[in-house]
Amino acid sequence: QKEVEQDPGPLSVPEGAIVSLNCTYSNSAFQYFMWYRQYSRKGPELLMYTYSSGNKEDGRFTAQVDKSSKYISLFIRDSQPSDSATYLCAMSVHTDSGGYQKVTFGTGTKLQVIP
Amino acid sequence: KAGVTQTPRYLIKTRGQQVTLSCSPISGHRSVSWYQQTPGQGLQFLFEYFSETQRNKGNFPGRFSGRQFSNSRSEMNVSTLELGDSALYLCASSSQGGAEAFFGQGTRLTVV
Repeated sequence: QKEVEQDPGPLSVPEGAIVSLNCTYSNSAFQYFMWYRQYSRKGPELLMYTYSSGNKEDGRFTAQVDKSSKYISLFIRDSQPSDSATYLCAMSVHTDSGGYQKVTFGTGTKLQVIP
Repeated sequence: KAGVTQTPRYLIKTRGQQVTLSCSPISGHRSVSWYQQTPGQGLQFLFEYFSETQRNKGNFPGRFSGRQFSNSRSEMNVSTLELGDSALYLCASSSQGGAEAFFGQGTRLTVV
């Protein structure tokens, strides 16, 4: 079983829809949770990161972390064709001696927003 | 502010050869991490360097190595290339390592 599980999709939605992207994880030590967006032939771009449980909002994007369920989500409101990309969740642990431990990524969910 | 720069963008190498990839982080960032991305395995962590020291390491064979210079630029070396090493190699820079990391465009390595 992988430490981080993410549905690869593809997920197709009409323009203007609310998109929900999710990841589950097994390592309860994860403390930092990130979402990246990756366009074809580009490097991943950091969208949001959160520490521990709770919600964080940035424009049309909302990240949620539920540590008790080991489940994180990214919501995209009023989705646009330009949101079509692969979305990667990522998680890491921080220690005082080793800094951030390795960042573990999900395999990514391919999203297509249809005009 | 300039982003993360990786060179070269594309490489074709033959099995058994070695290759060196370069990454220039964002100015002021001291942490550089390297990742391998393939369609089957996704993004896998190789190693992280912070202030010229390897701080974290993933589960890759010893053929994969790296280093970081005093100006925070980093290089990654793969020796005795195998066909399975064909991938997109990405580096990410951050000020302290971890959560707020910024990726370069990657180097696409093809081993034939």
